Amino acid sequence: AAGVIQSPRHLIKEKRETATLKCYPIPRHDTVYWYQQGPGQDPQFLISFYEKMQSDKGSIPDRFSAQQFSDYHSELNMSSLELGDSALYFCASSLGGGGNYGYTFGSGTRLTVV
Amino acid sequence: KQEVTQIPAALSVPEGENLVLNCSFTDSAIYNLQWFRQDPGKGLTSLLLIQSSQREQTSGRLNASLDKSSGRSTLYIAASQPGDSATYLCAVIEDDKIIFGKGTRLHILP
Repeated sequence: AAGVIQSPRHLIKEKRETATLKCYPIPRHDTVYWYQQGPGQDPQFLISFYEKMQSDKGSIPDRFSAQQFSDYHSELNMSSLELGDSALYFCASSLGGGGNYGYTFGSGTRLTVV
Repeated sequence: KQEVTQIPAALSVPEGENLVLNCSFTDSAIYNLQWFRQDPGKGLTSLLLIQSSQREQTSGRLNASLDKSSGRSTLYIAASQPGDSATYLCAVIEDDKIIFGKGTRLHILP
């Protein structure tokens, strides 16, 4: 079965550079969520989209922005990168905004800022 | 504000033992509860989803229970194997968000 696809798997950027992470949800899933997981931490919610509209916002820095496109894929844009942005970034998708059917997570993008 | 707590934070048991991981949450107004497994540096693999109207779900050697009124869930692993070593995350699903506990790091000793 198709899963949530994230690209790239690994990304190395320098401080103050820009990064773009992509997420392709499971077909027919209309809701996408972005999470950040630092070393030894539990995943922290950043932002979510339902039917291409932002549905909720968590601890996402102002330097980050995201959107969901007409084909339901989503991109997380990160500017002015800082060392502290180094983390594993997960995307999850679900059918419907309420997560009634559970969440499916991608394998994540490991971002390293040097 | 919903808080999800997992006990213990870490657990080491010999291979073959049955074990229970605990999860508690402060607000019982949840939609569902989902258990995940995470290997080091890897993604989150969904193990079991318990909808709010259900009391338990089973998949192979795994059984998860949910008691909304008391704000508790348990994940039971039968006949543990070294391959079960991972971090297990309990996640509460509310209206439009999922809230994670900090996980239990499980190590099965061969």
